[in-house]
Amino acid sequence: DQQVKQNSPSLSVQEGRISILNCDYTNSMFDYFLWYKKYPAEGPTFLISISSIKDKNEDGRFTVFLNKSAKHLSLHIVPSQPGDSAVYFCAARRSNDYKLSFGAGTTVTVRA
Amino acid sequence: DGGITQSPKYLFRKEGQNVTLSCEQNLNHDAMYWYRQDPGQGLRLIYYSQIVNDFQKGDIAEGYSVSREKKESFPLTVTSAQKNPTAFYLCASIRLGSEGKLFFGSGTQLSVL
Repeated sequence: DQQVKQNSPSLSVQEGRISILNCDYTNSMFDYFLWYKKYPAEGPTFLISISSIKDKNEDGRFTVFLNKSAKHLSLHIVPSQPGDSAVYFCAARRSNDYKLSFGAGTTVTVRA
Repeated sequence: DGGITQSPKYLFRKEGQNVTLSCEQNLNHDAMYWYRQDPGQGLRLIYYSQIVNDFQKGDIAEGYSVSREKKESFPLTVTSAQKNPTAFYLCASIRLGSEGKLFFGSGTQLSVL
């Protein structure tokens, strides 16, 4: 039973525009959320995270929004750059439990 | 530089063969994890260990075995009981008490001959 869901398997966006990636979760005990970026044949690298006590966290071009009542989070990338083309995974965990549950990923393609 | 090293990068398994994937970290992290990635699916947890000489099953442990004899090392054995072993395997680690940001190795692609 997948507790973290990314319902859009792919996203194509023009360079310079905004990329919006969505993620839903079902486990109300999750209180820490992360986004990872992954290139083919490489390990995922951490991008940005947010605690459930916040509803927004920003780091440069990347902003994560959390809507706890809807059990929904999103990642905004502004402006999108060609190097952003990768697979993005949403992940979540509970307090005192370091195991992460991952979504299926969204493949982002940034067009020149 | 500190990091997580997985080897080999590519591995081929014959029918009925056990193979072992290596994972070493020099980050002094307490906990280590093995995930499996299949096309179109998220990362699924195979096994994890939070302390030396102790480990727990994840969501898809059947057909796999691990050991944690040293803090730095967490090898994964894919046994002949694993009927669909072809996947990309990722090792990760974390320092307990930290924010919860897993660090990943560069992965091992396992294929069946």
